[in-house]
Amino acid sequence: SQTIHQWPATLVQPVGSPLSLECTVEGTSNPNLYWYRQAAGRGLQLLFYSVGIGQISSEVPQNLSASRPQDRQFILSSKKLLLSDSGFYLCAWSILRDTQYFGPGTRLTVL
Amino acid sequence: AQKITQTQPGMFVQEKEAVTLDCTYDTSDPSYGLFWYKQPSSGEMIFLIYQGSYDQQNATEGRYSLNFQKARKSANLVISASQLGDSAMYFCAMREGAGGFKTIFGAGTRLFVKA
Repeated sequence: SQTIHQWPATLVQPVGSPLSLECTVEGTSNPNLYWYRQAAGRGLQLLFYSVGIGQISSEVPQNLSASRPQDRQFILSSKKLLLSDSGFYLCAWSILRDTQYFGPGTRLTVL
Repeated sequence: AQKITQTQPGMFVQEKEAVTLDCTYDTSDPSYGLFWYKQPSSGEMIFLIYQGSYDQQNATEGRYSLNFQKARKSANLVISASQLGDSAMYFCAMREGAGGFKTIFGAGTRLFVKA
């Protein structure tokens, strides 16, 4: 069966510091991968999605970037965090345009 | 323009009773998919049920059913025989188009199940 991992689970970072969140999927090949952000008490906002290695689509202009160095690995990064980057970050996978399945999430607090 | 609307910020239901969570959507694409997810306090998003725009019958998954009214553009989630563990945030979502990857989420409804 398929499993999706995210780490770290919780992160507290100072403003201006770099960020790297990692997501990996097991049990499937060539998945579509997604990064979402959820502000406190709000719905999900799609940040990036990827249909293959090295292929990244950005949905919202922002302080973040994404990379997909391997088929089942998706990384969310920032060179300098802002206070507004705080939130709950969720990675998801799907096969083609089918149902998306989510990881456990990373709660990021920028101070 | 907001494409997914969940008008109930919070709902209360008595344990063992049924509850309906409302969702309306807006799209001009004839091909789309509708989803419901559950988010407990732990934060993970749990997929509950899916309805395709061309599906003739309402989707059902155990105690979950989707009341799909295409003409009214509504996709309400019905939870039968509520349990305490059903207390969570519930999100309605839509994927537009046969070729679309983007899934749009509603603001969510927080469900409280009372003992």
